[in-house]
Amino acid sequence: SQTIHQWPATLVQPVGSPLSLECTVEGTSNPNLYWYRQAAGRGLQLLFYSVGIGQISSEVPQNLSASRPQDRQFILSSKKLLLSDSGFYLCAWSRRRRSISENYGYTFGSGTRLTVV
Amino acid sequence: QQQVKQSPQSLIVQKGGISIINCAYENTAFDYFPWYQQFPGKGPALLIAIRPDVSEKKEGRFTISFNKSAKQFSLHIMDSQPGDSATYFCACHGGSQGNLIFGKGTKLSVKP
Repeated sequence: SQTIHQWPATLVQPVGSPLSLECTVEGTSNPNLYWYRQAAGRGLQLLFYSVGIGQISSEVPQNLSASRPQDRQFILSSKKLLLSDSGFYLCAWSRRRRSISENYGYTFGSGTRLTVV
Repeated sequence: QQQVKQSPQSLIVQKGGISIINCAYENTAFDYFPWYQQFPGKGPALLIAIRPDVSEKKEGRFTISFNKSAKQFSLHIMDSQPGDSATYFCACHGGSQGNLIFGKGTKLSVKP
């Protein structure tokens, strides 16, 4: 079975410090990978997605970046955190949808609560 | 451009009542419509999904109603329970769009 791991669960970082959040997927190969951010009581904002190693698409320009050094590893980074980077960060994966008859669902990790102080 | 419009933003229902959350979409190429349930501090989890070739899908107390001509679909939670209190997201996928398009979410509170 497939599992997704995301860590850490909570993180408190000072403004201007670097950030590295890691996500790994087990039990599948060549997944699509996603990073979402969720502000308190708000919806899901897609930050980055990746369809393969080294292939990153950015949805929202910001001081965050993402990398995919291995097939099942997705990393979210920042060189200098801002107060506005606080939020709930979610990693997700999905299979490639190969036909219209195939279901297409995302599996989300348990999230990282980031507080920038 | 908001491709998926979800309403209401929040909903309060008494225990035993029916909770109804609605979504409307623009792109007729969408062909897969899931609902996700998110509890506080957790990631969203797939609850139920429907394809446009059926008008209704039921799983336990959860039912999706789908109206292709109106480009709308809704989630009905029968006999709502306090444990159903969560945020619910509708989503759409299909056509040339590679990613799921999520609605903005509905926070459901079921009062005992």
